[in-house]
Amino acid sequence: DSGVTQTPKHLITATGQRVTLRCSPRSGDLSVYWYQQSLDQGLQFLIQYYNGEERAKGNILERFSAQQFPDLHSELNLSSLELGDSALYFCASSLTTNYNEQFFGPGTRLTVL
Amino acid sequence: AQKVTQAQTEISVVEKEDVTLDCVYETRDTTYYLFWYKQPPSGELVFLIRRNSFDEQNEISGRYSWNFQKSTSSFNFTITASQVVDSAVYFCALSEAAQGGSEKLVFGKGMKLTVNP
Repeated sequence: DSGVTQTPKHLITATGQRVTLRCSPRSGDLSVYWYQQSLDQGLQFLIQYYNGEERAKGNILERFSAQQFPDLHSELNLSSLELGDSALYFCASSLTTNYNEQFFGPGTRLTVL
Repeated sequence: AQKVTQAQTEISVVEKEDVTLDCVYETRDTTYYLFWYKQPPSGELVFLIRRNSFDEQNEISGRYSWNFQKSTSSFNFTITASQVVDSAVYFCALSEAAQGGSEKLVFGKGMKLTVNP
């Protein structure tokens, strides 16, 4: 158990809908990262927050957004969902941003029908 | 741009065999970190090791060992006397300095290891 929690574990929804994925980092970790794992793209970095502020952006679509709250939990919002958004979404946390190892949550499997 | 290549996509071995997973990386940074993660069938990503670019000493942890060679930009992972529980997808990753000073992980495509009894 990495100490990172993600809810829900599974999510099935329809195209055009909006969903919110939630992540709680390990106790004491200030940095939260979101990654998407799909068969065609592999594991790709989406976005990072550090102590409530956006720190880096990767291949994140404009339909996706995220935030980190004062208690350091983070939410990833996916809107206008398309079939291609079906994937495993991981949250990871690390102590700071200085090349610390990132500990991953169990992931949320999103299926868009 | 930084890149991680895991040329092998899938390997199947018999229990107790040794197996080496190759990882080659590209980066222009002088300071970087390399990682290995394991993804068992249950799906979670398990951290195995972190190595910084200034430390080329090999590392051993039980049946696992890692060989970092800067000259060939490789960070290979060997499992000695493999066991069925080692069956998983293994990812090599490189820590890339993104804008704002943060470090995101760039992953290879993963290598699926199947250990048969």
